[in-house]
Amino acid sequence: DIQMTQSPSSLSASVGDRVSITCRASQSVSNHLNWFQQKPGKAPELLIYTVSSLQSGVPSRFSGSGSGTEFTLTISSLQVDDFGTYFCQQSHTAPHTFGQGTKVES
Amino acid sequence: QVQLQQSGPGLVKPSQTLSLTCAISGDSVSSNSASWNWIRQSPSRGLEWLGKAYYRSKWYIEYAPSVKSRLTLNPDTSKNQFSLQLDSVTDEDTAVYYCVRLTGEGLLDIWGQGTPVTVSS
Repeated sequence: DIQMTQSPSSLSASVGDRVSITCRASQSVSNHLNWFQQKPGKAPELLIYTVSSLQSGVPSRFSGSGSGTEFTLTISSLQVDDFGTYFCQQSHTAPHTFGQGTKVES
Repeated sequence: QVQLQQSGPGLVKPSQTLSLTCAISGDSVSSNSASWNWIRQSPSRGLEWLGKAYYRSKWYIEYAPSVKSRLTLNPDTSKNQFSLQLDSVTDEDTAVYYCVRLTGEGLLDIWGQGTPVTVSS
């Protein structure tokens, strides 16, 4: 299975901060890299797909970049609604594996 | 609007069978493009894909190797739902279980509300 490793595991930030989360794959996943946001007690929600495409309704302050084995999720100006946990997921090779998550907290 | 509604018990005794159902609205379990997945989440194992069912002129069922010997997924076209049955559960099966739609483009775009399951006597 492809291993997905996120860093950091958690971060502390304030409203208005620029936040970046890194995801590394154990082998190339080409551009088949997705990001999810999860709030406490809720299911994960698809945020960004194929590296940089925003899911419908996702604010433009979210962006994704990268290719191959290294990817980045960036929030340009953190808002209150953005606190939560973020997961990367590769959809290149079955089983489609997830990173362990990055918790963004104040 | 596609929605997935999960049902099933939240407490299962060790060695017994965990059974969950996911009712689909706004799409069909027999879709020729989507597949219907079960994913679980626990602090120790993170998000773990368990298996999927999909219809491409006939039914295909795929299981994660870690649970293949204990897991059965069953699509039900008459009720437009799909179910999970996990046999011989242990405390390692304690997790939140999600049913999830995977689109033809490979996106996990619709999730059920999640069912917290505890394995305990």
